[in-house]
Amino acid sequence: GQSLEQPSEVTAVEGAIVQINCTYQTSGFYGLSWYQQHDGGAPTFLSYNALDGLEETGRFSSFLSRSDSYGYLLLQELQMKDSASYFCAVTPVGGKLIFGQGTTLQVKP
Amino acid sequence: GAVVSQHPSWVICKSGTSVKIECRSLDFQATTMFWYRQFPKQSLMLMATSNEGSKATYEQGVEKDKFLINHASLTLSTLTVTSAHPEDSSFYICSAYTSGRQYEQYFGPGTRLTVT
Repeated sequence: GQSLEQPSEVTAVEGAIVQINCTYQTSGFYGLSWYQQHDGGAPTFLSYNALDGLEETGRFSSFLSRSDSYGYLLLQELQMKDSASYFCAVTPVGGKLIFGQGTTLQVKP
Repeated sequence: GAVVSQHPSWVICKSGTSVKIECRSLDFQATTMFWYRQFPKQSLMLMATSNEGSKATYEQGVEKDKFLINHASLTLSTLTVTSAHPEDSSFYICSAYTSGRQYEQYFGPGTRLTVT
């Protein structure tokens, strides 16, 4: 089976940098994705790591270490609109996504 | 980008009735769609994988006779909650991906079901 662990809540101030960690246990694994979900909205894709290392997309970066079964999402220059839930997800065989429990990020002025 | 729609966006039904939720890929074809449910402040739980032209694959613990899935075309999957009960009240979301990019799924806006 698969399991993913993330912190339940993170708080940071506007303009700061925050890192959301994700550790996983899975059999059969293609990569680690990150999704953002605002209250009442649909999840939206942020980033994907198939290989070890850092992927950068604007203010967001994501990192993966397969040997450590670990990844993180890094958000820079935090803005109030970044307040949302962030989910890591693994892509096992079959194309489905298995989501972590989610991290609620609260950005304060 | 790819767009997925859902209908209805919210529905209230009486206990014992059935409700159908539609999921459409608007600008791409999706041979595979996924159905999730999400309780408040919780994660997305995969319910089933919907395959065009074949039977859906249900995750462990999901009653296939209660949650009927039909993927009749390359752009439409439906989820029917049969004999709904208050505990079925939840946020139901579908997703799909474009060819070869399973990790980047496009989600519908979700359907909030309330069973009274």
